[in-house]
Amino acid sequence: GESVGLHLPTLSVQEGDNSIINCAYSNSASDYFIWYKQESGKGPQFIIDIRSNMDKRQGQRVTVLLNKTVKHLSLQIAATQPGDSAVYFCAEIGMDSSYKLIFGSGTRLLVRP
Amino acid sequence: EAGVVQSPRYKIIEKKQPVAFWCNPISGHNTLYWYRQNLGQGPELLIRYENEEAVDDSQLPKDRFSAERLKGVDSTLKIQPAELGDSAVYLCASSLQGVSLSGYTFGSGTRLTVV
Repeated sequence: GESVGLHLPTLSVQEGDNSIINCAYSNSASDYFIWYKQESGKGPQFIIDIRSNMDKRQGQRVTVLLNKTVKHLSLQIAATQPGDSAVYFCAEIGMDSSYKLIFGSGTRLLVRP
Repeated sequence: EAGVVQSPRYKIIEKKQPVAFWCNPISGHNTLYWYRQNLGQGPELLIRYENEEAVDDSQLPKDRFSAERLKGVDSTLKIQPAELGDSAVYLCASSLQGVSLSGYTFGSGTRLTVV
């Protein structure tokens, strides 16, 4: 299948281990942050979001942490599975409610069996 | 629910030729977006529609790109003439304004190769 990105930072983890993917965002006025998963040949798929007034949010096997002081976002995936292999992007949305997503650089997650 | 449907999935054209992409958003979604994704990068917004009105086209290269959303449902994005640097994946997304961002849904995209 086609590749989303050939020169992305890559995180390789063993199946069953936890994964942590990091992202630095640019706009301190952003109100919402979202993590997307993009598999080869597909569009980005929503994973989890967090508002700027929170510092942690948990979903099913995923946790997002937000550190506004250093403008850093992380995605933690528990018990990583082969199906988690994909490119992960963080995105931010500003206060103007335009719903314009500004994407960060992606990270490729490879899960070793 | 079919999701956001885009066609074609792939397109290869020679430079200076025209090309068009089509998007059918999720039923009832009044907001439609076109994004361009270059290899190894995140998507970048080209244009946003609220119903049939283009409310943000500041990132659309208007000398060669055009878009329309007649009747506020389907949308087409056109490039004329295409240049080598236009090779990318063109993604369409739709959302229901004001609803949770989890409803902001992307299509699978059209991969354009200009040779």
